[in-house]
Amino acid sequence: QKEVEQNSGPLSVPEGAIASLNCTYSDRGSQSFFWYRQYSGKSPELIMFIYSNGDKEDGRFTAQLNKASQYVSLLIRDSQPSDSATYLCAATSGTYKYIFGTGTRLKVLA
Amino acid sequence: KAGVTQTPRYLIKTRGQQVTLSCSPISGHRSVSWYQQTPGQGLQFLFEYFSETQRNKGNFPGRFSGRQFSNSRSEMNVSTLELGDSALYLCASSLKQGEYGYTFGSGTRLTVV
Repeated sequence: QKEVEQNSGPLSVPEGAIASLNCTYSDRGSQSFFWYRQYSGKSPELIMFIYSNGDKEDGRFTAQLNKASQYVSLLIRDSQPSDSATYLCAATSGTYKYIFGTGTRLKVLA
Repeated sequence: KAGVTQTPRYLIKTRGQQVTLSCSPISGHRSVSWYQQTPGQGLQFLFEYFSETQRNKGNFPGRFSGRQFSNSRSEMNVSTLELGDSALYLCASSLKQGEYGYTFGSGTRLTVV
């Protein structure tokens, strides 16, 4: 059973701090990795994707991928209360089939 | 640009009935995927359609089926509903097959009683 694992949280960080969200995956064949944000009662929205080892930055968000360790992370700099949501990690398995983690709930404290 | 439209937003059905959910993808998007979301299991992949063909299928029983029309609109059907089918059903569309991520619709909340 190919899996994507995330700590369910909640992860609480103070406003202005860096939030670090982590994800591990079991399928060594996974090529693409995605981070989605889901507010309570809403549908997931794409934050960013990463294919290559290393870091990818987009505004306050940085995705990090380490394929040797099968590890993906998302850093949120200068966290804001509006960042409070559930963050879903997804990895492709086979031909563009996504496996989602169950998500990490982030709480940014004002 | 209109987003992904799912109808209906809410449904209440009785065990044993069948249900059809509809999804209109973003204009120009040819790939449509369906996911089931429950508090315990998270997002589970149901199937993916691209150019009217089912390209991928998840580990769901045959009671779950779908199709895609020539205008890329998609429908999902669940027959002989069970209590455990109560969930949020999300449709997601993309230009290519999820290569650059999906845009999700607002979902259909199905309650089976």
